[in-house]
Amino acid sequence: EAGVTQSPTHLIKTRGQQATLRCSPISGHTSVYWYQQALGLGLQFLLWYDEGEERNRGNFPPRFSGRQFPNYSSELNVNALELEDSALYLCASSLELAADNEQFFGPGTRLTVL
Amino acid sequence: SQKIEQNSEALNIQEGKTATLTCNYTNYSPAYLQWYRQDPGRGPVFLLLIRENEKEKRKERLKVTFDTTLKQSLFHITASQPADSATYLCALGGGGGSYIPTFGRGTSLIVHP
Repeated sequence: EAGVTQSPTHLIKTRGQQATLRCSPISGHTSVYWYQQALGLGLQFLLWYDEGEERNRGNFPPRFSGRQFPNYSSELNVNALELEDSALYLCASSLELAADNEQFFGPGTRLTVL
Repeated sequence: SQKIEQNSEALNIQEGKTATLTCNYTNYSPAYLQWYRQDPGRGPVFLLLIRENEKEKRKERLKVTFDTTLKQSLFHITASQPADSATYLCALGGGGGSYIPTFGRGTSLIVHP
């Protein structure tokens, strides 16, 4: 069974540009989560999508947005990039909504903003 | 606000010994607690989940305890091996209707041969 995949592996942008990160969940998983992991910090929750709808959002500005497609893959968009957006962006998927669902993480996209 | 504390200092132990990692939390009543392993540059990998009504759970060389009175979880790796070297994250969730787990910053474990 293929795991969660993310693309690209690395992404280098300059301040003010836009970045698009992509995620394909495990087959059969309908929930997709996005996290930001900056150097030395824990995973910070960004967004949660389930069945194509945004279910929850972390404490991030509106320039962080995303969507989930009918095939449950997802895209994270970061507009007006700032230097502090440099981080590892992790996508995770899980089965439909449940209180203690195990999350399966992808390898991440390393975003560097210059 | 909710706070999860994991020891920021790396834990160094000798191969064969038992490694014990701590996760403390405040201002939170989680329904469950999870432990993940994360290797450098990789996504976390789920290891164990323990629910609020469980005191202890085991999986092979791993043991997790959950004390909701002390608001603490202990994560043990017995007969540790150099391959166990990684960062270990605890995550709490399910409290107050929130399905999204909140992660600690993790503790680095280094097992010396």
